[in-house]
Amino acid sequence: NAGVTQTPKFRVLKTGQSMTLLCAQDMNHEYMYWYRQDPGMGLRLIHYSVGEGTTAKGEVPDGYNVSRLKKQNFLLGLESAAPSQTSVYFCASSQDRGRDTEAFFGQGTRLTVV
Amino acid sequence: GDSVTQMEGPVTLSEEAFLTINCTYTATGYPSLFWYVQYPGEGLQLLLKATKADDKGSNKGFEATYRKETTSFHLEKGSVQVSDSAVYFCGHSGSARQLTFGSGTQLTVLP
Repeated sequence: NAGVTQTPKFRVLKTGQSMTLLCAQDMNHEYMYWYRQDPGMGLRLIHYSVGEGTTAKGEVPDGYNVSRLKKQNFLLGLESAAPSQTSVYFCASSQDRGRDTEAFFGQGTRLTVV
Repeated sequence: GDSVTQMEGPVTLSEEAFLTINCTYTATGYPSLFWYVQYPGEGLQLLLKATKADDKGSNKGFEATYRKETTSFHLEKGSVQVSDSAVYFCGHSGSARQLTFGSGTQLTVLP
């Protein structure tokens, strides 16, 4: 059981380049999330989705776009990368937003923008 | 708005020492509370959770009690091991379909 898989695991971009991070989950979860992790800042929510075809902004959405065309996939796009987007990105998924919700995380993507 | 405040780290302890990592939260309603652990180079894993007031979550010797009156969910372990070295995140399922996390506490346990 793969759980949540993120692709790629590492990437170096030049300022202004674009890229897409892929998150895939095989647990048939409705909810999916993209977070970024920065030293001293913890995890900050970028965008999330509550079902196929839906997306919503989180705490720090600027500079990112997302799409959820298939239930199992959640894509995070950077149209024009900036050094401030250097971070570790985590995808997560969960089945329910009730009291027993548990989020499952991928192993992260380390992105460096130079 | 919803938030989680964690004790700042890093925390360094000797093996078999007692551990407490403080966590307080603000949220609308009655969220579920979580502790996640992140080992080096890995994603976050759920360590324990509590879904209502006075519930105690426990796992791998770690415990935390949901204290509604003090809006707290402090993590404790009686005797830490070197293998417990990791980053610990407190979080809650808030009111806006989002999981909110604290900034994380780095724990290092020395042999």
